[in-house]
Amino acid sequence: DAKTTQPPSMDCAEGRAANLPCNHSTISGNEYVYWYRQIHSQGPQYIIHGLKNNETNEMASLIITEDRKSSTLILPHATLRDTAVYYCIVRVVGTYKYIFGTGTRLKVLA
Amino acid sequence: GAVVSQHPSRVICKSGTSVKIECRSLDFQATTMFWYRQFPKQSLMLMATSNEGSKATYEQGVEKDKFLINHASLTLSTLTVTSAHPEDSSFYICSAAGQGSNTEAFFGQGTRLTVV
Repeated sequence: DAKTTQPPSMDCAEGRAANLPCNHSTISGNEYVYWYRQIHSQGPQYIIHGLKNNETNEMASLIITEDRKSSTLILPHATLRDTAVYYCIVRVVGTYKYIFGTGTRLKVLA
Repeated sequence: GAVVSQHPSRVICKSGTSVKIECRSLDFQATTMFWYRQFPKQSLMLMATSNEGSKATYEQGVEKDKFLINHASLTLSTLTVTSAHPEDSSFYICSAAGQGSNTEAFFGQGTRLTVV
């Protein structure tokens, strides 16, 4: 079973920040948090990952709570092309076997 | 970033025939690759772990004789759906990761299989 829970859907206005939450309350100390997104009929696209520190790259920011039981993916200025299903995944060090949860379907509205 | 390529992207086959799907890591070596299946409006479900030079490891409920996996080199894994039936119609996706403990897995673009 997936170790993460996410809201099934969210809407966001174009140009605004999209904040996607993820709960991973059973995460262990050696497990990373990964975010991917999937646009219809394509393979998942890597966004960002982190262990305990907040991370930022050209696509997004990842905020991990101090107790590591939850995290938030932030798309700072959402565009229509960001409409996708976003998956939060917990990965055990030593394997890249991902167990996908149901994800959040983000719709960016014009 | 690293690229994982699947072929074909779309295939239609007759019921009872077999179909082979290829997954290649184009610019890195992958000792392990993963195969997923995705039905419409559902999430990705892990089917098996493909290990270079050894037998694949299948998830519970996945028939190893029906979904044959071969990982003959560090850049190629194949999934063969044998004696395909309409219920095998799905989106099949592979992933692979390079070396290192703090990296990410990359996914292929997926293969849409339709069995008629």
